Amino acid sequence: TQLLEQSPQFLSIQEGENLTVYCNSSSVFSSLQWYRQEPGEGPVLLVTVVTGGEVKKLKRLTFQFGDARKDSSLHITAAQPGDTGLYLCAGNRGNTGKLIFGQGTTLQVKP
Amino acid sequence: DAGVTQSPTHLIKTRGQQVTLRCSPISGHKSVSWYQQVLGQGPQFIFQYYEKEERGRGNFPDRFSARQFPNYSSELNVTALLLGDSALYLCASSSGTGREQYFGPGTRLTVT
Repeated sequence: TQLLEQSPQFLSIQEGENLTVYCNSSSVFSSLQWYRQEPGEGPVLLVTVVTGGEVKKLKRLTFQFGDARKDSSLHITAAQPGDTGLYLCAGNRGNTGKLIFGQGTTLQVKP
Repeated sequence: DAGVTQSPTHLIKTRGQQVTLRCSPISGHKSVSWYQQVLGQGPQFIFQYYEKEERGRGNFPDRFSARQFPNYSSELNVTALLLGDSALYLCASSSGTGREQYFGPGTRLTVT
């Protein structure tokens, strides 16, 4: 059973386009993290959201935590080829060391 | 400051053998978590250690074991290797309970 469902699984867009990646669950999470992973490397932490309804911005990336803390979204404005990679959402229940990951969204941005 | 380091980078083993993977956390971090990432999937939690004690265990068989040392480094040991154990093994460290985790580059294990 996949506790966190990410959509879409694959996304191929042109440079300059906008996109949104969704991370959904029927479970409540105490926090949610977004990571980006390059092939053959470990995930790199982008952001942590904790409060329901919270919105955080990281340059062209906007992250939102759902009001009920069951879902999150990642919006990229004017995507660039450097944004290419695997985007992973990961939820934490009860502030433990166990992160529950979604299956990831592979993003390809073509120049 | 150095990030999380893992060794070896790559490893090739034969079915039935055992393997030990090593991880050094970020300086000052006392929690280490281990994950297995199969190609095309998100990482799956294996263990968490905090202050040298096991704090969590994922749904993995007893062939998987781990420990944490006084300097907070950690080892993951897998015995009786199966083809299905082929994966990227990731170590993550955190300063406290583990909500924000910082990952190492991983060890790519191939079982033939």
